[in-house]
Amino acid sequence: DAGVTQSPTHLIKTRGQQVTLRCSPKSGHDTVSWYQQALGQGPQFIFQYYEEEERQRGNFPDRFSGHQFPNYSSELNVNALLLGDSALYLCASSGETQYFGPGTRLLVL
Amino acid sequence: TQLLEQSPQFLSIQEGENLTVYCNSSSVFSSLQWYRQEPGEGPVLLVTVVTGGEVKKLKRLTFQFGDARKDSSLHITAAQPGDTGLYLCAGDEYSSASKIIFGSGTRLSIRP
Repeated sequence: DAGVTQSPTHLIKTRGQQVTLRCSPKSGHDTVSWYQQALGQGPQFIFQYYEEEERQRGNFPDRFSGHQFPNYSSELNVNALLLGDSALYLCASSGETQYFGPGTRLLVL
Repeated sequence: TQLLEQSPQFLSIQEGENLTVYCNSSSVFSSLQWYRQEPGEGPVLLVTVVTGGEVKKLKRLTFQFGDARKDSSLHITAAQPGDTGLYLCAGDEYSSASKIIFGSGTRLSIRP
């Protein structure tokens, strides 16, 4: 079992650009959550997907959007990137227990 | 929005010492998890506590959930350099399913 995988591992973008991050959940998990972790902070909940629908959302602007595919994999899209979007983006999949991927480190210049 | 406050933010102690990390909130959680995160990696779940007053042990780590399910503590006995990392508590909001709120973490450094 590969666990939760995320791609890419690192990404550099410039302000105003758009980015798409990808996540494959742990085998058997149908729920995917996305978190943003700024340097020195705990993860902040962005949103959660279940059965291809957004089920919960945290306090993030509409520039943050997502998608879940029939195979339960998920994408996080961020439009009009700001310097403050620089962070580690974590994906977590859950059945009874939540497992995190290694994250994608995004740097916005 | 429910907040989880962790203390201390930073802790550096000598190998062999004991330590306690705290996680506090004014709100009630249906469950609370403790994670450890190492640089460049995602958080790894250590334990989930569900029942008020519950105590769980994981080798040298002891986790306790407060009676009112608003707070939790993590006690490490005879700390070792391998315990170094960022310790995060996270709570399941009582009012909605599966929305987990994280504390800001305690960064622990164990000196050999």
